Amino acid sequence: GAGVSQSPRYKVAKRGQDVALRCDPISGHVSLFWYQQALGQGPEFLTYFQNEAQLDKSGLPSDRFFAERPEGSVSTLKIQRTQKEDSAVYLCASSSRRWANTEAFFGQGTRLTVV
Amino acid sequence: ELKVEQNPLFLSMQEGKNYTIYCNYSTTSDRLYWYRQDPGKSLESLFVLLSNGAVKQEGRLMASLDTKARLSTLHITAAVHDLSATYFCAGEAGGTSYGKLTFGQGTILTVHP
Repeated sequence: GAGVSQSPRYKVAKRGQDVALRCDPISGHVSLFWYQQALGQGPEFLTYFQNEAQLDKSGLPSDRFFAERPEGSVSTLKIQRTQKEDSAVYLCASSSRRWANTEAFFGQGTRLTVV
Repeated sequence: ELKVEQNPLFLSMQEGKNYTIYCNYSTTSDRLYWYRQDPGKSLESLFVLLSNGAVKQEGRLMASLDTKARLSTLHITAAVHDLSATYFCAGEAGGTSYGKLTFGQGTILTVHP
């Protein structure tokens, strides 16, 4: 597709349920980022992939959060045993950048509501 | 650790007026970005500022960067209703070559007649 695609757009989960959020980056983009955006806040970095390698996961808030990108394209962010504080919009971004100066393009996000 | 602060957080403007949004950052940032976000939508890139003194303009928006003061500004000229949105600045932490961004809290801009 032409842009970064995320699915589902909306997800309601009961507390304690596991969820999986999908990101389809722009074809050929090497770099992929996940951000978490709480209501009324700016996005916060969660994790970064270069191809299939997860090079930075410093922003993952707990060990309940897990991300993968096994073939270097589609990525999945998984949250186990969801808690109410996990409610947020999860944004995925991709860029063709490895070491050069290119900007990232964001998807529309998945709005997760934990009830 | 890079920290980014924007002000004001809320801005209510009359159409036709000018105003400036300020973005301060705490440590060296390789580049500075401005994004626009409409409700329920993703982030749209407005400007990328790469060096001290950089100034970029697009329509009624102009962004500038002063690396010595660690300050970027987004100036709005003769505001129109279509500019109503949330505006974020984001810095790229020095030393990370892959584009990890630290965002400000966002400025909610409302332009009214």
